[in-house]
Parts: sequence; structure tokens; C-alpha cells
Amino acid sequence: DGGITQSPKYLFRKEGQNVTLSCEQNLNHDAMYWYRQDPGQGLRLIYYSQIVNDFQKGDIAEGYSVSREKKESFPLTVTSAQKNPTAFYLCASSPQAIGNTIYFGEGSWLTVV
Amino acid sequence: AQSVTQLDSHVSVSEGTPVLLRCNYSSSYSPSLFWYVQHPNKGLQLLLKYTSAATLVKGINGFEAEFKKSETSFHLTKPSAHMSDAAEYFCVVSESGGSYIPTFGRGTSLIVHP
Repeated sequence: DGGITQSPKYLFRKEGQNVTLSCEQNLNHDAMYWYRQDPGQGLRLIYYSQIVNDFQKGDIAEGYSVSREKKESFPLTVTSAQKNPTAFYLCASSPQAIGNTIYFGEGSWLTVV
Repeated sequence: AQSVTQLDSHVSVSEGTPVLLRCNYSSSYSPSLFWYVQHPNKGLQLLLKYTSAATLVKGINGFEAEFKKSETSFHLTKPSAHMSDAAEYFCVVSESGGSYIPTFGRGTSLIVHP
């Protein structure tokens, strides 16, 4: 089935560690996104990519890094510079076209221990 | 520039009564508008979308929304709420003449009482 796969579903990070969240899509979409969602809050854009080997900062990029080496993959690294990383992370993808629908993965919970 | 405002952070209804979730938008171009639903600890699922065709859009699970350009609104409605409708709902705008990067509203939590 076509869709977006995020892994792991739950991840624990120790202070000072970098962790990487995986996002893979088989929808052949050009654009991919990472959002952060805090409890009871809306979605905030971390990074997005509209084409392979190119990506742009969103509203809250500090403390995060991404890569887009393949069309279907857009991993997010939460670095030790991110001081408050505990949140729900959502990956999404969409075609680059008018009226594009964004499709979401099931999300990943990151908790600092 | 585009923006979207969901006018209520929480809406509480009784099962079997109508649902109204309000959304106003701002856009410099012809907008595409979407409603998504999110159940706890899940990703977002598309309910419906408007892309300059019919102004009354029907979606899944009995939801519909009407695009009103004069009021810059895209309110979500359902004639009769079900317990399973309890979730977070997001209104989203994407400009056709812009970069297609969507802008999300802050969400409306729908509470359904038995």
C-alpha cells in the first residue's frame, strides 16, 4: 500500500544525544515536511524539502537537521542543541501542484529521559 | 501571504446534535482549503478539500464544508455528531500562486457528550 512510514513510533533520548527519526514515502511525492506538535498545540513546521538535495528551514529549525538524498526519504535529526525536544513529530509529503493534498505519517513520540 | 484562524479552540456537543467548526482564512491568491482530523497519538487524516470547484464540499464520515469567498470562511459542519467524531480538527490553507507550503490553523478540539 502507498503511504508514509515513520519510525520508530516511540523514542527516548538521553541528555546530550542526537537521535534520528526516519520518514519514508512511496507516493512519488516531490515535497516532504517535518512538523512538531506539542500536547494541545497545533503543528509547527521544522523543515521542508521540495526537491531532492534541497531543503528549507521552517519556523522552528534550530536544533534540528535534515537531509534529502533520495526522493522517498527525509530523515530528521534532533540534535543536542534542541533544548526541549520532547514532542510528537509528524512527517508529511505532497505533490508539488495546485490543490496539493498533504499526506501524513502516523507520527513519532520523542521523550527526553 | 496566507493565514488561517480557527475561531474556537474547543467545541462541545451532545451526540446526535449538529457540529460546526469555524475557520477563516486569508490568502493573496486563489486558495486551496482543507480540513484534517487527528485522533490521539495519530497522524492527520484528510476530511475534505476545496480547490476552486464546487463551493460546497462533501467529505468523509458525513462532514461537509462551504467555501464563502465574501466571508473568507470555510466552516466544517456535520448534521449529527457521533462519539467517534471526538478528535482534533485542523483547517489548512495553501496558496495556488505561492510555494504550496500549507499553513495550519491551531486546531479545534471537538468533544462529544453521550
